[in-house]
Amino acid sequence: EDKVVQSPLSLVVHEGDTVTLNCSYEVTNFRSLLWYKQEKKAPTFLFMLTSSGIEKKSGRLSSILDKKELFSILNITATQTGDSAVYLCAIRDDKIIFGKGTRLHILP
Amino acid sequence: NAGVTQTPKFRVLKTGQSMTLLCAQDMNHEYMYWYRQDPGMGLRLIHYSVGEGTTAKGEVPDGYNVSRLKKQNFLLGLESAAPSQTSVYFCASIDGGGQDTQYFGPGTRLTVL
Repeated sequence: EDKVVQSPLSLVVHEGDTVTLNCSYEVTNFRSLLWYKQEKKAPTFLFMLTSSGIEKKSGRLSSILDKKELFSILNITATQTGDSAVYLCAIRDDKIIFGKGTRLHILP
Repeated sequence: NAGVTQTPKFRVLKTGQSMTLLCAQDMNHEYMYWYRQDPGMGLRLIHYSVGEGTTAKGEVPDGYNVSRLKKQNFLLGLESAAPSQTSVYFCASIDGGGQDTQYFGPGTRLTVL
């Protein structure tokens, strides 16, 4: 069964729109939830979340974790074509298990 | 500081051949991981290691073996390659001391004919 489920699987929006990407998980004990951006090559790290309700921000990107409802969201405001990528969510304990990702395409 | 490196970058094998993929990191990280990535499947964990001399199975370990004889190196072996093992393989490492930034290698594209 899938322990990390991301939705939607793909999303197409216009430049300037705001998007919300979802990550739900089944694991109850874990060290952190991680978000990555993957363009043509290896994933690059975006955020690490460990505590519920505390928002992490980096420029136009932000993320928050809800440990009670077992989900996290990644928000991107004022999207740009350079945000087009696959966004991956992962749960970290000793293992690091990924969801299938959300493929985001930004139209100019 | 090279980060995480993988050797080779590309390889083509015939069914039944064997090969070893090498992952090396120079950040003194405790944890190392091997993933495979196929279209629409995200990253799937093959094997991982929580320190020198340790290995453990991930989500899709069948057909692969690993070794971590030195802390900086994590080897992935295919004893008898099959077409189903055609994939892009990524190695990654993480400190384990609370800084959970996971660093990835550039990937190895493997084709099994």
